[in-house]
Amino acid sequence: SQQGEEDPQALSIQEGENATMNCSYKTSINNLQWYRQNSGRGLVHLILIRSNEREKHSGRLRVTLDTSKKSSSLLITASRAADTASYFCATGTYSSASKIIFGSGTRLSIRP
Amino acid sequence: NAGVMQNPRHLVRRRGQEARLRCSPMKGHSHVYWYRQLPEEGLKFMVYLQKENIIDESGMPKERFSAEFPKEGPSILRIQQVVRGDSAAYFCASSPSASGREGNEQFFGPGTRLTVL
Repeated sequence: SQQGEEDPQALSIQEGENATMNCSYKTSINNLQWYRQNSGRGLVHLILIRSNEREKHSGRLRVTLDTSKKSSSLLITASRAADTASYFCATGTYSSASKIIFGSGTRLSIRP
Repeated sequence: NAGVMQNPRHLVRRRGQEARLRCSPMKGHSHVYWYRQLPEEGLKFMVYLQKENIIDESGMPKERFSAEFPKEGPSILRIQQVVRGDSAAYFCASSPSASGREGNEQFFGPGTRLTVL
C-alpha cells in the first residue's frame, strides 16, 4: 500500500493566497521529501525534512513534520500562477536504504 | 552539467512488441531508480540499480519487465511483449548515493510516455 497519502487530492486557490497540502504516512520514517511535478514533466525536488526536525523553510515554502501523528504539511505562501502543479510527498525509511515511496499527490491550481 | 536524460520521450508500440526505455543519469550519479506513473496518479517505484547491479526490484512485475545499468552506457528498462496495461509514463531518477535512508534528493528525467496500441 502507498506509504504517503496527500490531501486534498485537488486544491484551487486565488493567486496571492496561501496553499496548504497535507501528507500522512503509515510506518516510521527517516525522512520526508516534497516534490513538484508540472504537467507532463519530471519531478523536481523541493525540500527535505528529517525525522528529528519539526519545521523547515525554503523561500515561500514551509514544511512541518509531526512524527507522532505521522503527518507532514507543505505550505506555499503568496501563491503564483507558476505554482500550478502536482505536489507529492515521498518517504524514506530506516529499513530501506534505497527507495523512497511517493504518495498520490495534490493537484494545485492557482487562479489568476 | 546535463540533467537526467531519457529517450525516447514518446514511444508507441503494438501489443506483443518490445519496448526499450533508456536513461542516462546525471554525471557522477551511480544510483538509478525507475518509476511508473499512470494518469492522475503518483509514482510507483519499480527498480533501483547501481552500476552493474540490481539492488531492489521489489516493484518490478515478475514477468516481461527487466532492467539493467551496465558499466558503460545508459540504464535500460525493457518491457517484452507489451500489453495495453503497460501504457504509462516511465520516469528515471538518479542520485549520487542511496536515497531512502539518507534522504538524498533524486533528480528526475523528463520521462518516456509509452503508448501500447
